[in-house]
Amino acid sequence: KAGVTQTPRYLIKTRGQQVTLSCSPISGHRSVSWYQQTPGQGLQFLFEYFSETQRNKGNFPGRFSGRQFSNSRSEMNVSTLELGDSALYLCASSSTTARAGELFFGEGSRLTVL
Amino acid sequence: AQSVTQLGSHVSVSEGALVLLRCNYSSSVPPYLFWYVQYPNQGLQLLLKYTSAATLVKGINGFEAEFKKSETSFHLTKPSAHMSDAAEYFCAVSSNTGNQFYFGTGTSLTVIP
Repeated sequence: KAGVTQTPRYLIKTRGQQVTLSCSPISGHRSVSWYQQTPGQGLQFLFEYFSETQRNKGNFPGRFSGRQFSNSRSEMNVSTLELGDSALYLCASSSTTARAGELFFGEGSRLTVL
Repeated sequence: AQSVTQLGSHVSVSEGALVLLRCNYSSSVPPYLFWYVQYPNQGLQLLLKYTSAATLVKGINGFEAEFKKSETSFHLTKPSAHMSDAAEYFCAVSSNTGNQFYFGTGTSLTVIP
């Protein structure tokens, strides 16, 4: 079974631009969540989608948005990029919404903002 | 509210020595706890999880963790470190609703030959 796939793996943008990141979950997984990883902050929760509905959102500005499609694929968008948005963006999928359900992570999209 | 604290952002051990990575949790409900490992330029991989069954949980690659409610701890151990264990390790607790994980800030493990 294929794992979580994230594209692109690496990208460089300049301040003020916008970026869209894509995530394809493991087949059959309906829950997709996004995390921002930075050296100083660790992993910070961005949002979680289940069956095309955003169920939970972290403490990030409105420049960060996402969506999920009917095939469970998800995208996140960051508009008006700032230098501080440079990070590894990780997507994770889960087969269950139960608390004991583990997250399966992709390899991430590394965004550099210049 | 749930949170985890990892003590020690960097840990160095000699090859063959005991690995001990510390994690303490705070949770308003009985917690579900996880340890993940991240190798360079990769995503996170599950090592093990505690879901209120046995308090001693065995995971992959010889790692295990013990849930101690009295100490609110979930420390990760491995009897004998291997060079391939060098990585970043994250402790996490799931939210009340299960759709969000709270991660610690990570512990970077270095294994000295």
